[in-house]
Amino acid sequence: EVHLVQSGPEVKKSGESLRISCKTSGYTFNDYWVGWVRQMPGEGLEWMGVIYPGDSDTRYSPSFQGQVTISADKSTTTAYLQWGSLKASDAAMYYCGRVLLGSGTYYSFDVWGQGTMVTVSS
Amino acid sequence: SYELTQPPSVSVSPGQTARITCSGDALTKKYGYWYQQKSGQAPVLVIYEDTKRPSGIPERFSGSSSGTLATLTIDGAQVEDEADYYCFSTDISGNHRVFGGGTKLTVL
Repeated sequence: EVHLVQSGPEVKKSGESLRISCKTSGYTFNDYWVGWVRQMPGEGLEWMGVIYPGDSDTRYSPSFQGQVTISADKSTTTAYLQWGSLKASDAAMYYCGRVLLGSGTYYSFDVWGQGTMVTVSS
Repeated sequence: SYELTQPPSVSVSPGQTARITCSGDALTKKYGYWYQQKSGQAPVLVIYEDTKRPSGIPERFSGSSSGTLATLTIDGAQVEDEADYYCFSTDISGNHRVFGGGTKLTVL
């Protein structure tokens, strides 16, 4: 069975760095794109970007390009989402997801993690 | 930037048919995907490529697309179907992926 298990909630200050994780199991990590979705409090879903662990190819939404970094570690079958300097506006729930095989450039997700809540205080 | 437009809310009685629409110019050529998100939970894919249903999704969920409109239909909606529903697709270039604003389905 496919599982994506995310790291726990984080409380950070503005300006701090952060990396959250998404540990995958139950499938061949290198063969599927995996990515991230943001959900701000009380708001909708926003597609952030994806990575192909096989060769580390990445795709970012223009809204998140340069604001976050998506990476993957093949040895631990884990994907990461990273900020160099958090802003108050980064406070949100972040979900990781495995991309549906064959979805091409849609990069839609068929299996999701449980979410990681990020709180940022000024 | 590209947008997908959904009604903020839809309300039906148990056993009725619920229809949730998603409007976007590129839907004439691009697939629509649908996600269900129950309160406090991660989203779940319920329809992909306009009409296909992932394994484990009840048959009462179906999807269709015509022109610039994609539609999620729940035949015989049940109380447990209460959730926010999001459509998802890309712009005509295929380079920008977006979710619709979400529709809150109430079944009571």
